[in-house]
Amino acid sequence: AQKITQTQPGMFVQEKEAVTLDCTYDTSDQSYGLFWYKQPSSGEMIFLIYQGSYDEQNATEGRYSLNFQKARKSANLVISASQLGDSAMYFCAMRELRGSARQLTFGSGTQLTVLP
Amino acid sequence: DVKVTQSSRYLVKRTGEKVFLECVQDMDHENMFWYRQDPGLGLRLIYFSYDVKMKEKGDIPEGYSVSREKKERFSLILESASTNQTSMYLCASSSPDGRSSYNEQFFGPGTRLTVL
Repeated sequence: AQKITQTQPGMFVQEKEAVTLDCTYDTSDQSYGLFWYKQPSSGEMIFLIYQGSYDEQNATEGRYSLNFQKARKSANLVISASQLGDSAMYFCAMRELRGSARQLTFGSGTQLTVLP
Repeated sequence: DVKVTQSSRYLVKRTGEKVFLECVQDMDHENMFWYRQDPGLGLRLIYFSYDVKMKEKGDIPEGYSVSREKKERFSLILESASTNQTSMYLCASSSPDGRSSYNEQFFGPGTRLTVL
């Protein structure tokens, strides 16, 4: 079974609008972390935001926020006021503490295109 | 700033060749990782290392080996390159694991390998 599922291969959003990128995860651990990375066309992976499983508040970093719904096992990324520079591939990832603790498991990604 | 560098951005090799991909980090990180990235599959972990001369298999180690003789350098080796190893290869590093699920991985720019 997929540990991280991103069901939107591609998304379009108008500049200055908000967009939500979906991510669901599967784990039996109580302690885990969820990460979002951005990958522009240049290829480098840029860390955006992190949410711990015990964090009660949704994580926010500037225009990025993480809509964490633990019971539904979802960790959607919300980008407010989209900019042209937000066009990129976005990956959701999870880190479980049990077992191979250093491993991040990534989803298949969502290609976001911001339209002018 | 953390810097992770990879020896080549683009590489073209022939089937059967031995291929070395080099990764160097300058933040004295204990953990280093090799991923491959394919469209629709996200990033998949090939191998990782949590100390010099230590290595562990990731999800897709077949056809690859690694070497970590120095803390800052982690090499990925394709003993006999095949066309199905044509892919983007990403190296990452992180600091030692604590008890928290948070541990950001810092990525290199990637090497796009083509095997003809």
